[in-house]
Amino acid sequence: GAGVSQSPRYKVAKRGQDVALRCDPISGHVSLFWYQQALGQGPEFLTYFQNEAQLDKSGLPSDRFFAERPEGSVSTLKIQRTQQEDSAVYLCASSGLDTQYFGPGTRLTVL
Amino acid sequence: SQKIEQNSEALNIQEGKTATLTCNYTNYSPAYLQWYRQDPGRGPVFLLLIRENEKEKRKERLKVTFDTTLKQSLFHITASQPADSATYLCARVNNAGNMLTFGGGTRLMVKP
Repeated sequence: GAGVSQSPRYKVAKRGQDVALRCDPISGHVSLFWYQQALGQGPEFLTYFQNEAQLDKSGLPSDRFFAERPEGSVSTLKIQRTQQEDSAVYLCASSGLDTQYFGPGTRLTVL
Repeated sequence: SQKIEQNSEALNIQEGKTATLTCNYTNYSPAYLQWYRQDPGRGPVFLLLIRENEKEKRKERLKVTFDTTLKQSLFHITASQPADSATYLCARVNNAGNMLTFGGGTRLMVKP
């Protein structure tokens, strides 16, 4: 079946712009995660949803970051007033039981 | 805070040799550790999970060990192939079983 998909794959934004990153999880997966991966580093946890409920947002770096999953399937990560330090790959993962399945990521470059 | 540490230096080996990657963790032992493979431009792909009470886990040419005394997991690829070249990530799972904390990854290069 289809895996986790993310769009856009690449996004270039000018500093100060708002961006929205989309994640389509594997159908039927209850859990959904967002991670941020800087170049040469491992992914770092941002936030976690179970269905439409955001159960953990402890990894969001600032109040400029906002995530939602209103119907318990597709999720959107929004970053307001982007800064250069927001440049990274943003990974989405969905989970059935033990294993998380990752999407290809969105590479965000803030100029 | 819980930390996962992996050797940031790339590991270069010859085809056919065994590659061994190290993952060290701090504080209490996680219930289980996971190993992922990541290719450039792609998301991590799950390889193996090993539980705290398991000493060793195997899958085809892959072997993972878990030593709670040393607070360490070793990941082995036997009879390595150039296609095994990638970055390998170790991750611990939180007690609720839902959040991963990743190490920085180790890049493996297998030369023909």
